[in-house]
Amino acid sequence: GQSLEQPSEVTAVEGAIVQINCTYQTSGFYGLSWYQQHDGGAPTFLSYNALDGLEETGRFSSFLSRSDSYGYLLLQELQMKDSASYFCAVWGSSASKIIFGSGTRLSIRP
Amino acid sequence: DARVTQTPRDKVTEMGQEVTMRCQPILGHNTVFWYRQTMMQGLELLAYFRNRAPLDDSGMPKDRFSAEMPDATLATLKIQPSEPRDSAVYFCASGSNTDEQFFGPGTRLTVL
Repeated sequence: GQSLEQPSEVTAVEGAIVQINCTYQTSGFYGLSWYQQHDGGAPTFLSYNALDGLEETGRFSSFLSRSDSYGYLLLQELQMKDSASYFCAVWGSSASKIIFGSGTRLSIRP
Repeated sequence: DARVTQTPRDKVTEMGQEVTMRCQPILGHNTVFWYRQTMMQGLELLAYFRNRAPLDDSGMPKDRFSAEMPDATLATLKIQPSEPRDSAVYFCASGSNTDEQFFGPGTRLTVL
């Protein structure tokens, strides 16, 4: 089967850096995606890692290590508007369907 | 700018009634997804289509749920009969590859 594990909650301070981890169990997948969802809103795409390594998009970076079955989302220079839930997701090559993690709720303190 | 649209945004209905949710994907996107989100279960894939053909609907209760794409600009999700446990936010998303999906605003369904 396939599963994704994320911490349920993370708290950080405005201006700081925070890392949200995602570990997965899947027999094969095309890549690891990250989505952000504010309360009452829809998920929005943040990043995608098809290959191992770091992908950087502004203040957000995402990392994938297939050998470690592990990825993370790194948020820098945290702003209050970054308070949201963050989901990792994989598109399984064997099951041909996408699975989302349970989400990490990020709270930013002033 | 291009967006996925969903109607209705909110739906309150009574148990046993039929519910139809509609989605207009972004023009040019060949893959359409239906998701359900609840506090308990999180975000679950119900079904998805590629080039209007259903590729996977294993996440849907087959006896009451059905998903169709009558044309490239419309995807529908029907529940008949609806039950209180179907109360959730239903999202439609579209994309053109395996990495990025664009989500609609969702339909908040309440079944009494």
